[in-house]
Amino acid sequence: DSGVTQTPKHLITATGQRVTLRCSPRSGDLSVYWYQQSLDQGLQFLIQYYNGEERAKGNILERFSAQQFPDLHSELNLSSLELGDSALYFCASSVAGQRTQHEQFFGPGTRLTVL
Amino acid sequence: AQSVTQLGSHVSVSEGALVLLRCNYSSSVPPYLFWYVQYPNQGLQLLLKYTTGATLVKGINGFEAEFKKSETSFHLTKPSAHMSDAAEYFCAVTASTGNQFYFGTGTSLTVIP
Repeated sequence: DSGVTQTPKHLITATGQRVTLRCSPRSGDLSVYWYQQSLDQGLQFLIQYYNGEERAKGNILERFSAQQFPDLHSELNLSSLELGDSALYFCASSVAGQRTQHEQFFGPGTRLTVL
Repeated sequence: AQSVTQLGSHVSVSEGALVLLRCNYSSSVPPYLFWYVQYPNQGLQLLLKYTTGATLVKGINGFEAEFKKSETSFHLTKPSAHMSDAAEYFCAVTASTGNQFYFGTGTSLTVIP
């Protein structure tokens, strides 16, 4: 158990819908990272938040957004869902925001299926 | 910019044989390098990391990796494979000056009894 929790574990929805994925980082970690893992594209970095502020952006679509709340939990919002958005979405947390020698601890993931 | 290439998306070894998973990186600044393992239906778990200092890094479950700057490589090895090593392995790089991780496409390890 990494100490990172993600809810829900599974999510099935229809095209055009909007969903919210939730992540709680390890106690004491200030950074939260979101990744998308699909069979054809591997593990793709989406976005990072550090202590409530956006710190880095990766291959995140405009239909996707995220935020980190004062209690440090984070939510990833996916809207206007398409079939191709079906994937595993991982959240990871880390102690620091800038010193990347600190490893990331991954949650168990949320499996999103868009029908 | 940083990037990672993992040679071989699938590797099969016999139980007890040497495990060698290859990772080459590209980085314009001194890199930090990581190996993660992902078991079925689970998140990624850190195996080992290289930041500074000794270039031979030992990790959990008997794995180790050697940072070779001249070859821009960070290959993962284990002397004797166990059935429980069957999993997906990811190499990742980040810049010592940055905060974004770049993952390879992963290598699926199969251990044959």
